[in-house]
Amino acid sequence: AQTVTQSQPEMSVQEAETVTLSCTYDTSENNYYLFWYKQPPSRQMILVIRQEAYKQQNATENRFSVNFQKAAKSFSLKISDSQLGDTAMYFCAFMKPGATNKLIFGTGTLLAVQP
Amino acid sequence: DTEVTQTPKHLVMGMTNKKSLKCEQHMGHRAMYWYKQKAKKPPELMFVYSYEKLSINESVPSRFSPECPNSSLLNLHLHALQPEDSALYLCASSPRTSGFGAGGDTQYFGPGTRLTVL
Repeated sequence: AQTVTQSQPEMSVQEAETVTLSCTYDTSENNYYLFWYKQPPSRQMILVIRQEAYKQQNATENRFSVNFQKAAKSFSLKISDSQLGDTAMYFCAFMKPGATNKLIFGTGTLLAVQP
Repeated sequence: DTEVTQTPKHLVMGMTNKKSLKCEQHMGHRAMYWYKQKAKKPPELMFVYSYEKLSINESVPSRFSPECPNSSLLNLHLHALQPEDSALYLCASSPRTSGFGAGGDTQYFGPGTRLTVL
């Protein structure tokens, strides 16, 4: 069974600084997808970034980028030029495509951006 | 447009009440999901509908009854709930594309319904 681990329950960063959130996972699959979702206090889960395991190139979305290390089963999220609106709970998630497309979530990292 | 809407935003109900949660998407997605989320915890999958058919029931108690009347609409009927069922209920949808490189069936979430059972 797949598992996702986020070892940082809470983190804090100053506005305009860079922060990296950690995520590791365990799977015997070769093809899968990884996601980062953010959930601000408004509570809506918002997709931040997606990575296909068969792609060696790290995904980027504006200020958000990932460091995907397939052999190490690591999928960290880097947020550059942090903004107050980045304050949220961040969930790392794993998906093995198939009949169910079930998302396996980590426990989350609560990020606070300080002014 | 990646919008999933949910109504109501908040719901308070007694243990003997019957109520329904509604979820709607107009993105042409063919898979829809219900999740339950407790405070400071990740979402837990409850049900998955694929092409309007129930494909997953994660051993959810029968007091939760899902319904998918058409490809755009997903309901969750609630009856005889317990106080421990109080939570945020999230709906999501995905394209249900197949094969790799086709979007990975990325799930897009609605804003949720905050349910309180008294």
